[in-house]
Amino acid sequence: GESVGLHLPTLSVQEGDNSIINCAYSNSASDYFIWYKQESGKGPQFIIDIRSNMDKRQGQRVTVLLNKTVKHLSLQIAATQPGDSAVYFCAEIPPGGGADGLTFGKGTHLIIQP
Amino acid sequence: DTGVSQNPRHKITKRGQNVTFRCDPISEHNRLYWYRQTLGQGPEFLTYFQNEAQLEKSRLLSDRFSAERPKGSFSTLEIQRTEQGDSAMYLCASSRQFDTEAFFGQGTRLTVV
Repeated sequence: GESVGLHLPTLSVQEGDNSIINCAYSNSASDYFIWYKQESGKGPQFIIDIRSNMDKRQGQRVTVLLNKTVKHLSLQIAATQPGDSAVYFCAEIPPGGGADGLTFGKGTHLIIQP
Repeated sequence: DTGVSQNPRHKITKRGQNVTFRCDPISEHNRLYWYRQTLGQGPEFLTYFQNEAQLEKSRLLSDRFSAERPKGSFSTLEIQRTEQGDSAMYLCASSRQFDTEAFFGQGTRLTVV
């Protein structure tokens, strides 16, 4: 079946550096993509989203890039801080779907080294 | 109302026992979702409600799982005759009807021994 997946299970970066977390998706019809951050012992927290008709969206210290040609999604975090340490999930929603259609990938564990 | 609230945070139960978890959504959200998350995996959708109506339940894991939202506010998820494989984090989320952003609670960690 179609699924959302991630390239790297763990990513370690130095505090202050930029980090890039990648995600591959296989449902070319997906309409909407979301990045979630999940800290230990907590539920997923919305970070940023992007619609399929966009290729880039920026937030505060975060940028999401969507490459529909190769079905690739990335999350860039600028000037990483210790509080950025968490597991990051990408999730997709098919056309016409709402949050009930959320399909999550496996997650990347981001570790910020002091 | 500061967010989605789930109780209990942790539950340890013996195999074969029934367990029930509660979720209180954000008050103005009419949609409520239940997910299950196992270690190292992303959340897996189970079921959702719009107000008191359960609109999708085909993805509940077995007939031992059931959920209710009788008054369209809080919801309960019940697992009957628990098995060790039911050990996981059970997450609840809520949203407004046409929003794609769902807000998650902190989850209930179930351990079946």
